[in-house]
Amino acid sequence: GDSVTQTEGQVTVSESKSLIINCTYSTTSIAYPNLFWYVRYPGEGLQLLLKVITAGQKGSSRGFEATYNKETTSFHLQKASVQESDSAVYYCALGPYGGSGNKLIFGTGTLLSVKP
Amino acid sequence: EAAVTQSPRSKVAVTGGKVTLSCHQTNNHDYMYWYRQDTGHGLRLIHYSYVADSTEKGDIPDGYKASRPSQENFSLILELASLSQTAVYFCASSDGGSQNTLYFGAGTRLSVL
Repeated sequence: GDSVTQTEGQVTVSESKSLIINCTYSTTSIAYPNLFWYVRYPGEGLQLLLKVITAGQKGSSRGFEATYNKETTSFHLQKASVQESDSAVYYCALGPYGGSGNKLIFGTGTLLSVKP
Repeated sequence: EAAVTQSPRSKVAVTGGKVTLSCHQTNNHDYMYWYRQDTGHGLRLIHYSYVADSTEKGDIPDGYKASRPSQENFSLILELASLSQTAVYFCASSDGGSQNTLYFGAGTRLSVL
């Protein structure tokens, strides 16, 4: 089947320190998977942070970066220097699957807490 | 700006009762989705729709119905709510293309007692 794994449920980082949130994926049904990071700030809905549709490419947004690595089936999210405002839940996602409709498979999410 | 609005934001329901969660989008998108999230699980797709008056089953449709009376509105209906349906529910909309962004509502926290 298809799945997305985020091993850390919660990560705490001090402000200005670096961050990495791990994401690995597995797919048997999607020939050319697209990979996404969505973020949910407190009290808000999920919003797209970045996406990469081509293996080997890197996506970036708001200081965050993620590289689509087909060999290791990974799409880790990194930031060189986090800010308190980055505190949120981050979801890795894979898609589309199951024909039309842009349906995505989501990981369990990683809660990032940035300490001032 | 794209907007997806869910109501209510939270609800407490009794086992066996009927619950309706509503979603309204102003994005002019064809596709709308209902996901649920439980602790330890990613978001899982319940139902989706690509046109008014038609709905499709997602990955976990059992115990849920959906209704799409117009392009803007998409409801999720629990006819007989059960304890196992306690979760956070998210509605989303999209153009439906494989690279298009999903726009999410803020979620509805449902507790079934």
